[in-house]
Amino acid sequence: DTGVSQDPRHKITKRGQNVTFRCDPISEHNRLYWYRQTLGQGPEFLTYFQNEAQLEKSRLLSDRFSAERPKGSFSTLEIQRTEQGDSAMYLCASSLEDRGTDTQYFGPGTRLTVL
Amino acid sequence: AQKITQTQPGMFVQEKEAVTLDCTYDTSDQSYGLFWYKQPSSGEMIFLIYQGSYDEQNATEGRYSLNFQKARKSANLVISASQLGDSAMYFCAMRVMDSSYKLIFGSGTRLLVRP
Repeated sequence: DTGVSQDPRHKITKRGQNVTFRCDPISEHNRLYWYRQTLGQGPEFLTYFQNEAQLEKSRLLSDRFSAERPKGSFSTLEIQRTEQGDSAMYLCASSLEDRGTDTQYFGPGTRLTVL
Repeated sequence: AQKITQTQPGMFVQEKEAVTLDCTYDTSDQSYGLFWYKQPSSGEMIFLIYQGSYDEQNATEGRYSLNFQKARKSANLVISASQLGDSAMYFCAMRVMDSSYKLIFGSGTRLLVRP
């Protein structure tokens, strides 16, 4: 069973540049989440997809952030006009909607550094 | 407001001994789920164990067990027979029962296992 994968694992960019991250969930999982984790903190929720529909966005997700999940498969998270405060680990997770635990399985994350 | 509190920023344990990592939660929901994740230095969040609010028995998964005390709103993780590979950050999380089922995380506990 292939786990959640994320690409790239590391990204260094200059302030003002745009960046895009990709997440490939576990193949049968219909729910996909993006979280952001800054140093010394637990992950914070950014946005949620059920299949291809983006159903919830955190207030943390400013208008510079956009996420998509075309065809309900992989997802992309784009940050426009990056700022130094965007430096963080961006984690993707997926889960299968069921009546059980609905456990979220995480990918290895993309570590973003904005210079 | 829903919240997870982990009051131990760091813990030490001797190899082969047991250790308890504390977690308290706050929610007004009757139905909720509690999770523990391990995050090694590589960054990936690894699912360890799940406890549902209606589960009468404490959850166990190998060397991991969850000491669930509903009245006290605590969900402590017990790791038995600690191994060097258990050295990592440990996060307690609660699944929010809204339209997203997102996770709310605590600030984590760094566990160091001494040989």
